Amino acid sequence: QLQLQESGPSLVKPSETLSLTCSVSGGSISSTSYHWGWIRQPPGKGLEWIATIYHSGNTDYSPSLKSRVTISVDTSKNHLSLRLSSVTAADTATYYCAREPDGGGYKFAWGFDYWGHGIPVTVSS
Amino acid sequence: DIQMTQSPSSLSASLGDTVTITCRASQSITSYLNWYQQKPGKAPKLLIYAASNLQSGVPSRFSGSGSGTDFTLTVSSLQPEDFATYYCQQSYNVPRTFGQGTKVEIK
Repeated sequence: QLQLQESGPSLVKPSETLSLTCSVSGGSISSTSYHWGWIRQPPGKGLEWIATIYHSGNTDYSPSLKSRVTISVDTSKNHLSLRLSSVTAADTATYYCAREPDGGGYKFAWGFDYWGHGIPVTVSS
Repeated sequence: DIQMTQSPSSLSASLGDTVTITCRASQSITSYLNWYQQKPGKAPKLLIYAASNLQSGVPSRFSGSGSGTDFTLTVSSLQPEDFATYYCQQSYNVPRTFGQGTKVEIK
């Protein structure tokens, strides 16, 4: 059974860089059948997609975050990473990593089928 | 960006009821529409992918339909564990976008 587990700091100071890791077990992050992504959810609000890394190694980012975010994969450790720089209080949210089955070409996908439990992150001094 | 609009934002229903949630995309997404259920403090759970395909392990009382820009999620015979927030999401293009959510509450 595939399992995803986010890890990282629960508290980050404004203007600093948030670094999160998603450890994947029960499956290979290198599989050509899946993409991997990060989604966040501010307290009491809806879901916001942050980024996806495709099995090709290409990446896509939310336009509103693109200048501050980097997604990457470490195949040797079988984990996914997210870096978000210059954080503000607006970045306070629960951050989820998730797997996205390839939907047959271009940037198509079949939804996020496996999710981590999420890691709550607060940006505050 | 493709905007996803869900309606209603919330609804009250009784056990055993059938409820329908709609989702409209701002442009055609063919069948690249997914539905999730989220309970408080938990990660979203994929219910339906590709508009009408039931994710493995999801009860058959959940069903989805639609294509192009208009989609529906139907929950038949509501069970206690179905009271939650439901989101639609398009995976036709990036940025991936979600609807604002529909909270299903007990009447």
